[in-house]
Amino acid sequence: GNSVTQMEGPVTLSEEAFLTINCTYTATGYPSLFWYVQYPGEGLQLLLKATKADDKGSNKGFEATYRKETTSFHLEKGSVQVSDSAVYFCALSILTGGGNKLTFGTGTQLKVEL
Amino acid sequence: GAGVSQSPSNKVTEKGKDVELRCDPISGHTALYWYRQSLGQGLEFLIYFQGNSAPDKSGLPSDRFSAERTGGSVSTLTIQRTQQEDSAVYLCASSRDSRGGLSYEQYFGPGTRLTVT
Repeated sequence: GNSVTQMEGPVTLSEEAFLTINCTYTATGYPSLFWYVQYPGEGLQLLLKATKADDKGSNKGFEATYRKETTSFHLEKGSVQVSDSAVYFCALSILTGGGNKLTFGTGTQLKVEL
Repeated sequence: GAGVSQSPSNKVTEKGKDVELRCDPISGHTALYWYRQSLGQGLEFLIYFQGNSAPDKSGLPSDRFSAERTGGSVSTLTIQRTQQEDSAVYLCASSRDSRGGLSYEQYFGPGTRLTVT
């Protein structure tokens, strides 16, 4: 089956620190990969995505590269802000007759302090 | 335009009662998904609707769970004889038709927090 493993949280960083949240996956087939973010009190939002190997998704200063050889999709940001405090979910989907149902990791809570 | 809406935002019910959760997808989105977010299980897929096709129910945890989508728009998730382990946030998402081989973004609603006492 399909599964996503991401690093445990919570992660606490100082503002302007470098962020890495690790994500690895197993999939039967060729998945698309996603990072979703859930800000406090808000719904899930797509942060970035990549649909094929070596693609780099990027948004709001965050980046992740689809690495097929290591089955990974690590999230990075060079300089985090307090406003980045949220829960981050790595996810995959494989387009089938069943649509694009998402398989999520357990989520990583990020807290950025001044 | 309007996003995905869900109602109620919070629901507290007694064990053994039935509950109905509602989702209004984004206008024009033919694909609709239900997910559940719980402390023990994380975020998990429940059911998928695409137009008038038979739904993919492979994620429903038991036969107490059912869902329908009327007129290709509004969807209702029904949980019969609720149990305490059903307590979770139920999320609805919609997207454009993905049958053409393209992976369209899913837009999520704010969720319904269900508490079974």
